Amino acid sequence: GENVEQHPSTLSVQEGDSAVIKCTYSDSASNYFPWYKQELGKRPQLIIDIRSNVGEKKDQRIAVTLNKTAKHFSLHITETQPEDSAVYFCAASIGGVIYNQGGKLIFGQGTELSVKP
Amino acid sequence: GVTQSPTHLIKTRGQQVTLRCSPKSGHDTVSWYQQALGQGPQFIFQYYEEEERQRGNFPDRFSGHQFPNYSSELNVNALLLGDSALYLCASQGFGEKLFFGSGTQLSVL
Repeated sequence: GENVEQHPSTLSVQEGDSAVIKCTYSDSASNYFPWYKQELGKRPQLIIDIRSNVGEKKDQRIAVTLNKTAKHFSLHITETQPEDSAVYFCAASIGGVIYNQGGKLIFGQGTELSVKP
Repeated sequence: GVTQSPTHLIKTRGQQVTLRCSPKSGHDTVSWYQQALGQGPQFIFQYYEEEERQRGNFPDRFSGHQFPNYSSELNVNALLLGDSALYLCASQGFGEKLFFGSGTQLSVL
């Protein structure tokens, strides 16, 4: 069945360092891979996403890479700041954001990122 | 944005509960997720055009409804202790990305 594995479960870095979170998906039909940031007691917020026809996408300090052959995708945060501290979730979807075919996201277990000042 | 009510709810085992969601303006598709403490959200089901279109691995005790104005309800019957979780509603429109509400924290005692 569909499954997404996420590692590590916890990650502690010093302010200014880089952080990398990795995910593996099982269903080769997956074609949309969003990343969400969830602060304690708040909603998951989309921070970046990538489709299967793209290998890498960057948005300021955040980047995502996708290796379709290995079924791996990763989140990279550079120059980390204390406000980056949160739980990060990767997810995979079949159908992506195509009208009426998206919405069923399979989430990883989450990574608790702690950025120490 | 996506609006959910109530924000918190306490119920007893065996009771029934109804959670409500209003999608973001312009969005017509609503999905529901269950997020247990320390876990990632798990897909319950998705509604579009007032019909359930996709369903995750949840028992029939979990049911839903979508109204003509695109708002949605999640109903859970015969509550179990294990149903205690944050219930998230997410909406999307044509070609748009998924946006989550702040959730309803359900505690079953």
